[in-house]
Amino acid sequence: QVQLQESGPGLVKPSETLSLTCAVSGYSISSGFHWGWIRQSPGKGLEWIGNMYHTGSSPYYNPSFESRVTISGHTSKNQFSLKLTSVTAADTAVYYCARWGSGWSFESWGQGTLVTVSS
Amino acid sequence: EIVLTQSPGTLSLSPGERATLSCRASQSLSSTYLAWYQQKFGQAPRLLIYGTSSRATGVPDRFSGSGSGTDFTLTISRLEPEDFAVYYCHQYGRSPFTFGPGTRVDIK
Repeated sequence: QVQLQESGPGLVKPSETLSLTCAVSGYSISSGFHWGWIRQSPGKGLEWIGNMYHTGSSPYYNPSFESRVTISGHTSKNQFSLKLTSVTAADTAVYYCARWGSGWSFESWGQGTLVTVSS
Repeated sequence: EIVLTQSPGTLSLSPGERATLSCRASQSLSSTYLAWYQQKFGQAPRLLIYGTSSRATGVPDRFSGSGSGTDFTLTISRLEPEDFAVYYCHQYGRSPFTFGPGTRVDIK
C-alpha cells in the first residue's frame, strides 16, 4: 500500500521560498500515476497547486500558482518536491502531497504539514 | 475555472438518518471527473466516490453518489457515528482542478 509523507520547514519568512518534499513508500513514483500537491487554509479551503507526471517531466500547474511554483521528482530517492517562491502570509496552509490517477483523482494522501509564513 | 458550490453548509442529523449533500458546478462537467472526499479533524481528505458514483476501495455501500451536468449529490443512507465529518466535492476534468467549500455533517 502506498504511503506518502511530507517534510520541510514549518516556518518560512515572507518573500522567501517554501520548499517541501514528499517521500513515497510502497510504490515507485516512476512506475505510473501523477504526483501532486494540494494545500488547505481556513480562508481558501482546498486548493490544487499542481501535479507532475511519473516521468518527472511536464508538470502542470494551477494558473494561480504558475509564476511561483516548481514541482519536480527525484526518482532515485522515490521523492518529489514543491517549491513556492515569494511567499506571503496568504501562503500559510497545511500542504498535502498526493497520488493522482485520471480515473479517480487524488486517491492517496500524505498526512499534511503545516507551513506558516511569518517574520 | 470551474467553481463548485456545496449546500447546505452544515447538516445537523442524528445517527441512523439519511444525509443528502449537494454540489453544483458553474459549468457542465463530465460525470467521469467528479469526486467526493471525507475529512475528519486533523486528517487528510479521504477519497469516497470518484466518477460521480464509483465507491473507492473500502468505502461502505451506505455512501452513494449520483448526478450529471452541473448537479451532483452524495447520499449517506444511514449515518453511522464515524460519518460525522466534512465532505468536499472535487472536479478533476478541467484544469485547474477545484474543490467545493465543504458540507459539515454534525450530530444533532
